Amino acid sequence: GAVVSQHPSWVICKSGTSVKIECRSLDFQATTMFWYRQFPKQSLMLMATSNEGSKATYEQGVEKDKFLINHASLTLSTLTVTSAHPEDSSFYICSAREPTSPDTQYFGPGTRLTVL
Amino acid sequence: GEDVEQSLFLSVREGDSSVINCTYTDSSSTYLYWYKQEPGAGLQLLTYIFSNMDMKQDQRLTVLLNKKDKHLSLRIADTQTGDSAIYFCAESPYSGGGADGLTFGKGTHLIIQP
Repeated sequence: GAVVSQHPSWVICKSGTSVKIECRSLDFQATTMFWYRQFPKQSLMLMATSNEGSKATYEQGVEKDKFLINHASLTLSTLTVTSAHPEDSSFYICSAREPTSPDTQYFGPGTRLTVL
Repeated sequence: GEDVEQSLFLSVREGDSSVINCTYTDSSSTYLYWYKQEPGAGLQLLTYIFSNMDMKQDQRLTVLLNKKDKHLSLRIADTQTGDSAIYFCAESPYSGGGADGLTFGKGTHLIIQP
């Protein structure tokens, strides 16, 4: 199946700093990528939909100025958590829609963010 | 809004069948999915079913869909220790014209007893 990677797999940062997380589709082009957030023992919550070459669409309650998303190419989307705070600590997972398999999303391995 | 419900835990003996259930509320759901998540890892797509299907079988996995009751189940035959994970049910209203994120249930933690 299609492969999606994320980098870094884990990151620890100080409060107030910004962290960038990359999501790449390795063997297919993804016009649409999604960013999810998962708290411990909770479900995944969709944060935003990232379309190549256009602005991301954010879900209700997700601050677009805090979670900056850029989808500059068909294989790369980035999520930047700006001015991170401890409450932003979470597991961030991206997915990419594989265009030849209708509405099949392949997920990255996730990035564990810990803000001190 | 959409809602997907699952029981949080299921315990089965090794070698038995596991049946994980899911209910959803969005009647426009077009695709329904089962994902597997092992500790500290991302999600692995196990299988999906289109809403006009009642059943789909793939090796040890059988998916049953009751669209009238909005009930989805995943049966794992001959459950092995490697099946121990959290299983997420998810739905999408994708109709071919847009790009929609998935709505996930809270996940069912499958525990295998020796």
